[in-house]
Amino acid sequence: KAGVTQTPRYLIKTRGQQVTLSCSPISGHRSVSWYQQTPGQGLQFLFEYFSETQRNKGNFPGRFSGRQFSNSRSEMNVSTLELGDSALYLCASSRGGADETQYFGPGTRLLVL
Amino acid sequence: DQQVKQNSPSLSVQEGRISILNCDYTNSMFDYFLWYKKYPAEGPTFLISISSIKDKNEDGRFTVFLNKSAKHLSLHIVPSQPGDSAVYFCAARDNFNKFYFGSGTKLNVKP
Repeated sequence: KAGVTQTPRYLIKTRGQQVTLSCSPISGHRSVSWYQQTPGQGLQFLFEYFSETQRNKGNFPGRFSGRQFSNSRSEMNVSTLELGDSALYLCASSRGGADETQYFGPGTRLLVL
Repeated sequence: DQQVKQNSPSLSVQEGRISILNCDYTNSMFDYFLWYKKYPAEGPTFLISISSIKDKNEDGRFTVFLNKSAKHLSLHIVPSQPGDSAVYFCAARDNFNKFYFGSGTKLNVKP
């Protein structure tokens, strides 16, 4: 079974631009969560989508948004990029039930100049 | 406000010895705890989990202990192997199905 895939793997943008990241979950998984990882901060939860609906949201500004499609694929968008948005963005998928482990993709490394 | 804390950024142990990674949390509503391992340039991979109704879960060389009264979680790796060298994250889930991660502990197992 194929794992979680994320595209692109690396991205360089400049301040003020916007970016869209994509995540394809494991087949059969309906929940997709997004995380931001920065050095020393661990993984910060952005949001979770389940069956095309945002089910949970972290404490990030409205510049960070996402959506999920009927095939469970998810996209994350960041508008008006800031230097501090440079990070590794990880998505994780699960079936979405109780005691369900999340499986992570390799991440998208975003550098904002 | 970090609800899950890993206070040791790094740990070095000799091959064959025990590695003990620690994690503290503040939210008593957490009901499910996990450990992930992360190699450079890869996403975290699931290692082992424990429900809040248990105090121990074992899987091969890996054992997770949960002390609810102390709000403390630990991962024991016995015996440690050089291939275990990675960053280890602990995570906890609240009753809204939201996950919180610690900042990670970098384990180095010396041959």
